[in-house]
Amino acid sequence: NAGVTQTPKFQVLKTGQSMTLQCAQDMNHNSMYWYRQDPGMGLRLIYYSASEGTTDKGEVPNGYNVSRLNKREFSLRLESAAPSQTSVYFCASAWTGTSTEAFFGQGTRLTVV
Amino acid sequence: GDSVTQMEGPVTLSEEAFLTINCTYTATGYPSLFWYVQYPGEGLQLLLKATKADDKGSNKGFEATYRKETTSFHLEKGSVQVSDSAVYFCALKTGNQFYFGTGTSLTVIP
Repeated sequence: NAGVTQTPKFQVLKTGQSMTLQCAQDMNHNSMYWYRQDPGMGLRLIYYSASEGTTDKGEVPNGYNVSRLNKREFSLRLESAAPSQTSVYFCASAWTGTSTEAFFGQGTRLTVV
Repeated sequence: GDSVTQMEGPVTLSEEAFLTINCTYTATGYPSLFWYVQYPGEGLQLLLKATKADDKGSNKGFEATYRKETTSFHLEKGSVQVSDSAVYFCALKTGNQFYFGTGTSLTVIP
């Protein structure tokens, strides 16, 4: 049982390049999330998806787009990478409902030069 | 809006010392509360949770009690080990949204 799988684990981009971070979960969760983690900032929500076919902006959506391809997969796209997007990105998933916890992937460490 | 405030770090303790990491929250409604742990280079893992007032979550010797009257969910462990060195995050969930604290780094020295 893999849980939440993110690819790639590491990536270096040049300013202006684009890329897609992939995330897949095998727990049949309805909700999926993308966070970025920066030193001293904790986790900040970029986008989330409450169910297949729906997506909503989080706290820091600028410069990102997402696709909820199906129930399992939720991708994050950087159209034109900027140095300010250097961060560690985490995908998470959860069952619907207040009492259910999030399960996290291992993270993608992205550096934009 | 909903938010979590947790103790600033870093925290350094000797092995077998008592640990407390403070966490307070602001929320409308009836949130669930969580503690997550992050080891270097890894994602966050659930450590424990509590879903209603006065519930105590516990796991691996760690405990936290959901205190509605003080809006707190402090993490405690009676005797820390070197292997407990990690970053600890307090979080709350309302509806389908999670709100995380900024994390507290713990280092346990032998």
